[in-house]
Amino acid sequence: GAGVSQSPRYKVAKRGQDVALRCDPISGHVSLFWYQQALGQGPEFLTYFQNEAQLDKSGLPSDRFFAERPEGSVSTLKIQRTQQEDSAVYLCASSPSGTGTMGYTFGSGTRLTVV
Amino acid sequence: SQQGEEDPQALSIQEGENATMNCSYKTSINNLQWYRQNSGRGLVHLILIRSNEREKHSGRLRVTLDTSKKSSSLLITASRAADTASYFCATDEDNAGNMLTFGGGTRLMVKP
Repeated sequence: GAGVSQSPRYKVAKRGQDVALRCDPISGHVSLFWYQQALGQGPEFLTYFQNEAQLDKSGLPSDRFFAERPEGSVSTLKIQRTQQEDSAVYLCASSPSGTGTMGYTFGSGTRLTVV
Repeated sequence: SQQGEEDPQALSIQEGENATMNCSYKTSINNLQWYRQNSGRGLVHLILIRSNEREKHSGRLRVTLDTSKKSSSLLITASRAADTASYFCATDEDNAGNMLTFGGGTRLMVKP
């Protein structure tokens, strides 16, 4: 597609519920990143894929967070047993390069509110 | 954790004035990038400056990089109301894989 598409745009989850957030990167982009952005803060790195390989998951805050990109295109970020501190905007970004030498294209994000 | 610190945190100017935002970082980098974020939207890539570059221009944007001071600045000239947004610097750190590390952002308001 023309840009990075994320769905849903908004998600309200009850505490303890599992959620799945989807990212469709730009076709052919090798790298895919997930970031978490709290209100009024800059994005914080969660995890990185190069094609289908998850090369870095050091930013995932707990084992309740899980991400996959099984065919090297669409990615899903899953959060199990959501808690209030998980409320944030989850941003997906893709890049054509396998290195950090080019800018990212970001999606509009999924705003998750845990009540 | 966020590597960059941006200064000021918030900036309010009149249309037509110039806006300068500063970013400091802590580690050795390959490049530094600036992004813009309108309220409720994703980030838009503005400009990338490599560690061996000192200055770069793109339209009304001018970015400088001082690796000895580990700092960068973004200058927006002749600002417009449509420039109202949050601006973030992001660093591609040496030996940190391919992720970008973002600062906390500068919230710019341009009054018509």
